[in-house]
Amino acid sequence: QQQVKQSPQSLIVQKGGISIINCAYENTAFDYFPWYQQFPGKGPALLIAIRPDVSEKKEGRFTISFNKSAKQFSLHIMDSQPGDSATYFCAASIQTGTASKLTFGTGTRLQVTL
Amino acid sequence: DGGITQSPKYLFRKEGQNVTLSCEQNLNHDAMYWYRQDPGQGLRLIYYSQIVNDFQKGDIAEGYSVSREKKESFPLTVTSAQKNPTAFYLCASIGYAGTTEAFFGQGTRLTVV
Repeated sequence: QQQVKQSPQSLIVQKGGISIINCAYENTAFDYFPWYQQFPGKGPALLIAIRPDVSEKKEGRFTISFNKSAKQFSLHIMDSQPGDSATYFCAASIQTGTASKLTFGTGTRLQVTL
Repeated sequence: DGGITQSPKYLFRKEGQNVTLSCEQNLNHDAMYWYRQDPGQGLRLIYYSQIVNDFQKGDIAEGYSVSREKKESFPLTVTSAQKNPTAFYLCASIGYAGTTEAFFGQGTRLTVV
């Protein structure tokens, strides 16, 4: 059972364009929604995150939009740059005891062309 | 520098052999995690540990085992019972209750030959 569904699987955007990646979740108990960026051969790194009491969060060129009623959230990358070419994972977490368990989407491979 | 160190970076295993992947962190984090990454499937949770001497199965624990004898260390053993062990393995840690940022190591790529 895939609790976090991510689309598209791959994305090609021209330099300066807007990259949009979408995720949908099923479990309403999720209380934290991060996005991770991963370069080839490296571990993922936190990019930006949002909690469900906020509809939007912006950090530089990266924005998360969150729709609680639709159980959807998306990552927007404005003015996309070749250095943004990477795989992006959305995730959702739920607190269990003293630890958080992250459930990841399947990833989106972004390629930004010149 | 604080962080998570995974070793080795590349590992080759013969069929039928057990192999242990190392994960060490100096972030003083309580919770540690092992994920498996396969193309098109994202990251899937194998095992996690909240405190020393305690760990729980994740979504795909069959064929794997872990130990947590020290706060800093969370080794993963891929046993011969794991039918398809070739994958990229990622170790992560989270600081303390109430925080949710996971810090990842650089990964170990395991190949069965």
